[in-house]
Amino acid sequence: QLQLQESGPGLVKPSETLSLTCTVSGGSISSNTYYWGWIRQPPGRGLEWIGSIYDSGNTYCHPSLKSRVTISVDTSKNQFSLYLTSVTAADTAVYYCARGGRGLVSWGQGTLVTVSS
Amino acid sequence: QSVLTQPPSASGTPGQRVTISCSGSSSNIGSHTIDWYQQLPGTAPKLLIYNNNQRPSGVPDRFSASKSGTSASLAISGLQSEVEANYYCAAWDDSLIGYVFGTGTEVTVL
Repeated sequence: QLQLQESGPGLVKPSETLSLTCTVSGGSISSNTYYWGWIRQPPGRGLEWIGSIYDSGNTYCHPSLKSRVTISVDTSKNQFSLYLTSVTAADTAVYYCARGGRGLVSWGQGTLVTVSS
Repeated sequence: QSVLTQPPSASGTPGQRVTISCSGSSSNIGSHTIDWYQQLPGTAPKLLIYNNNQRPSGVPDRFSASKSGTSASLAISGLQSEVEANYYCAAWDDSLIGYVFGTGTEVTVL
């Protein structure tokens, strides 16, 4: 059964770069049937799609985050990553990675990232 | 601000049926299929419905959904406390060129 696990620092300073990795187990990240995405949820608020990457290498990101977001895949490690630059307190959230296909089919458990000095 | 609007809350007594609406536009629901997610307290979201009305394996048939024009709805029948959660609709949006989630609806069993 496919599993996804987010990892990365739980605390990031303002203006620095948030870096998270999602490790995929129980399946290959190289499958062209699926895409891989990041979603976040600020405390007490709703879900916000951050972006997705496809097997072609094409990425799509939320317009409000596009200038600060990079999503990449490392097939050798079966991982994909999120980089969010110039973070502020507004970027404090639980960050989820997910596999997409017909909807976001599989999700990681999420990891809380707090932006604070 | 999400482009998909849901009522903030919905409730019913055990055994009742509750319906959640999701209102969008021609650039999202009107042009693309809609998905629904269930988020139980303290857990990651779970795909409940995809392709407007399809249930992934393991999702009970008490959950059903439909779409008409630029709106969609999710129905939960036979309410039980175990379905108390937040529910989100979602769809691709051509204007944003991205996937958008609805504002979310908290379902409570009275």
